[in-house]
Amino acid sequence: QSALTQPRSVSGSPGQSVTISCTGTSSDVGGYKYVSWYQQHPGKAPKFMIYDVSKRPSGVPDRFSGSKSGNTASLTISGLQAEDESDYYCCSYAGSYTWVFGGGTKLTVL
Amino acid sequence: EVQLVESGGGLVQPGRSLRLSCAAAGFTLGDFAMHWVRQAPGKGLEWVSGINWNSDNVDSADSVKGRFTISRDNAKNSLYLQMNSLSTEDTALYYCVKASTYSTSSGLFDFWGQGTLVTVSS
Repeated sequence: QSALTQPRSVSGSPGQSVTISCTGTSSDVGGYKYVSWYQQHPGKAPKFMIYDVSKRPSGVPDRFSGSKSGNTASLTISGLQAEDESDYYCCSYAGSYTWVFGGGTKLTVL
Repeated sequence: EVQLVESGGGLVQPGRSLRLSCAAAGFTLGDFAMHWVRQAPGKGLEWVSGINWNSDNVDSADSVKGRFTISRDNAKNSLYLQMNSLSTEDTALYYCVKASTYSTSSGLFDFWGQGTLVTVSS
């Protein structure tokens, strides 16, 4: 049950696009469709942004999108806005009723 | 409106036990799997334990296996986490989390409580 690998930080200017990667193995990210992404503002509980790799719940802007290739999932945020500055975590089902999170990525909007 | 309210956290000495509770409202607890997720101060999220809708499937992270036990009482709309043999490494904010399905092998974590802080220190 090793944590998924995310970059510790990414940054971008307003209006730009950024992509956050989430690398696991064939036993988690690569093996299942249950990859989700969570946004966490300081002092707040996480909020889910993407589920089942690329599905977006109602209320989440279409600027947020998800994808997966092999053992790596990605979250792309286009048209960056100041309110997107936050911590982002990926999460994957890892088999045998267990789950694993990524280490988290701090997004800075310059 | 879905509400998850955790309680039972506090300061505890290493080696001691603590029981966390989560009161659920705004949905039928028995229809969904539930999880505990923790976050150490300044650190990332860590899945701790999950339980399916009828308690048939229960599992925990290796870091707590054999020490922590998740349970639920659907009639009381409550989720629990019994934590034994606590160590300083268990110091964290513990979140009660609702799953989007009845199973712990699918879905996502769609609603989170505000968390209860557990501090393990002598």
